[in-house]
Amino acid sequence: DADVTQTPRNRITKTGKRIMLECSQTKGHDRMYWYRQDPGLGLRLIYYSFDVKDINKGEISDGYSVSRQAQAKFSLSLESAIPNQTALYFCATRSSSGGLADTQYFGPGTRLTVL
Amino acid sequence: QKEVEQNSGPLSVPEGAIASLNCTYSDQGSQSFFWYRQYSGKSPELIMFIYSNGDKEDGRFTAQLNKASQYVSLLIRDSQPSDSATYLCAVTGGKFSGGYNKLIFGAGTRLAVHP
Repeated sequence: DADVTQTPRNRITKTGKRIMLECSQTKGHDRMYWYRQDPGLGLRLIYYSFDVKDINKGEISDGYSVSRQAQAKFSLSLESAIPNQTALYFCATRSSSGGLADTQYFGPGTRLTVL
Repeated sequence: QKEVEQNSGPLSVPEGAIASLNCTYSDQGSQSFFWYRQYSGKSPELIMFIYSNGDKEDGRFTAQLNKASQYVSLLIRDSQPSDSATYLCAVTGGKFSGGYNKLIFGAGTRLAVHP
């Protein structure tokens, strides 16, 4: 089984709908992240969480909210989806123990299309 | 100026040649540097990390870091068609921008290895 899973993998929705993307991990990592990826723009950080009670905004948090239900689960919500939120969304995790060498591990991604 | 800059490519190299991918970063406080490979529609996967000046080799891959010039590169020797992908450079934030708990990504360089 994959260490980091995301559901759904693909979603088509309409403008104004509320959407939730879910991320679960079995790596035991305390750090979790949500990114979106658009062509030519690379990965941009939406929100990140260091533990259940520590949630922080990234560079593009407007229009999004998150919930850290448990150490292993981190959900991203679009309260009222709009077409420019059409993108590929990735969840990532990171351990807090390794310091300089520790990197982030990515889930398989969710392709979201807002019509 | 973008925090992490990469040439978008495509960089086209013949099979068996050396591919050289470059990345510059703006935050002098960045301490760790990562190269990810991303196939179209897939999640980024870590190839290498480096945090000391100089070269680090792993199989066909060599990462090079020059902190004085704020420059990091990835060399791929004996390039294969299966190396065709987008390569993302990522650096940790400086002391006042998240430190090693955050990664800042470049937009990626697309590599095409032709037979």
